[in-house]
Amino acid sequence: AQSVTQLGSHVSVSEGALVLLRCNYSSSVPPYLFWYVQYPNQGLQLLLKYTSAATLVKGINGFEAEFKKSETSFHLTKPSAHMSDAAEYFCAVSDRGTGFQKLVFGTGTRLLVSP
Amino acid sequence: ETGVTQSPTHLIKTRGQQVTLRCSSQSGHNTVSWYQQALGQGPQFIFQYYREEENGRGNFPPRFSGLQFPNYSSELNVNALELDDSALYLCASRSTGGDTEAFFGQGTRLTVV
Repeated sequence: AQSVTQLGSHVSVSEGALVLLRCNYSSSVPPYLFWYVQYPNQGLQLLLKYTSAATLVKGINGFEAEFKKSETSFHLTKPSAHMSDAAEYFCAVSDRGTGFQKLVFGTGTRLLVSP
Repeated sequence: ETGVTQSPTHLIKTRGQQVTLRCSSQSGHNTVSWYQQALGQGPQFIFQYYREEENGRGNFPPRFSGLQFPNYSSELNVNALELDDSALYLCASRSTGGDTEAFFGQGTRLTVV
């Protein structure tokens, strides 16, 4: 069964510092991988997704993630944190398929940004 | 283009009651999925509907059921509510294809007392 592990339930950074949120996946075949962000009392918004051979994926709001098959990782980074980045971040995995998409989410990492 | 909308936004029910949550898909999307997000947890997949039929289900009991209508809107029904059913229920719509983006609604916060 697929699963996702997000290391660190909380990550604190200063404004302007590097953001690194960790995600490791378990899957028998290369899956689709996603990062979502959730602001308080909101639904989920897609930041970026990995679905092809391009291992470095760029997303919205300056975020990017690198798919590393050998490490089964898909860590999310941003060079310089903004106060507005404070939110809950979820990594998710799904099988490669033609129509069915069951997203399996990690438990989330809350990003705290201090001035 | 309208996004995914869910109603109601908040709901309080008593244990043993039944509840219906509603979701309007984003225009052009024919696939709807429902997720349960307990406090402090990641969302858990309940089921997916495609062209009015359930075509995938997570580890949820039969008292969780759904419908998808010809206009691709959807309902989630939960019978015999339990305290542990208290959660944020998220609806996501997308077009066909396993790699397509799922657009989420803002959720319905269900509290069972």
